[in-house]
Amino acid sequence: GIQVEQSPPDLILQEGANSTLRCNFSDSVNNLQWFHQNPWGQLINLFYIPSGTKQNGRLSATTVATERYSLLYISSSQTTDSGVYFCAVAYYGQNFVFGPGTRLSVLP
Amino acid sequence: DTGVSQDPRHKITKRGQNVTFRCDPISEHNRLYWYRQTLGQGPEFLTYFQNEAQLEKSRLLSDRFSAERPKGSFSTLEIQRTEQGDSAMYLCASSPGWSNQPQHFGDGTRLSIL
Repeated sequence: GIQVEQSPPDLILQEGANSTLRCNFSDSVNNLQWFHQNPWGQLINLFYIPSGTKQNGRLSATTVATERYSLLYISSSQTTDSGVYFCAVAYYGQNFVFGPGTRLSVLP
Repeated sequence: DTGVSQDPRHKITKRGQNVTFRCDPISEHNRLYWYRQTLGQGPEFLTYFQNEAQLEKSRLLSDRFSAERPKGSFSTLEIQRTEQGDSAMYLCASSPGWSNQPQHFGDGTRLSIL
């Protein structure tokens, strides 16, 4: 099955800093989503991005499907950005395979 | 669009008891997925339905686990004879009935086995 890797595993930032999270996957996919899991365990859908680039406020994401990676950019980080960021991929409507996540802590 | 709804939010039970969780997907979403998430890990796939048909089951889904979606709308996940290792967050997601569409997740049911 598809393998998903995320880096870095842990990240500590000062409020206002920028960061880039990476997701590598081992096979072709046609579905890729980035999620933020908040301290209460809720999975918040950030981007549906099987290819291309999208932006939403301070967040943006880029997926290069041919090279099997995706990047999530967080600019001007805030303490509310803390939590775990997951990349999840799927092939043709099948179940998601989640990466291990990047745990982000933003310090005031 | 009221989102994916899961009930209960929390369940505490003694080892050996049976538990049942419910998931109400976004209306008109044909696909429904169950995932399990243990502490410090990403969610892992358990099973999924296309309407009322259960199309795929993970090897994680032992014979103590059963899932149904009788009318193609809500779904239930039952765990019989619960064990300590069943303690986890159980997440439900739904998506439209065609491929390459985003999955929308509920808030999950957190199960604690005493």
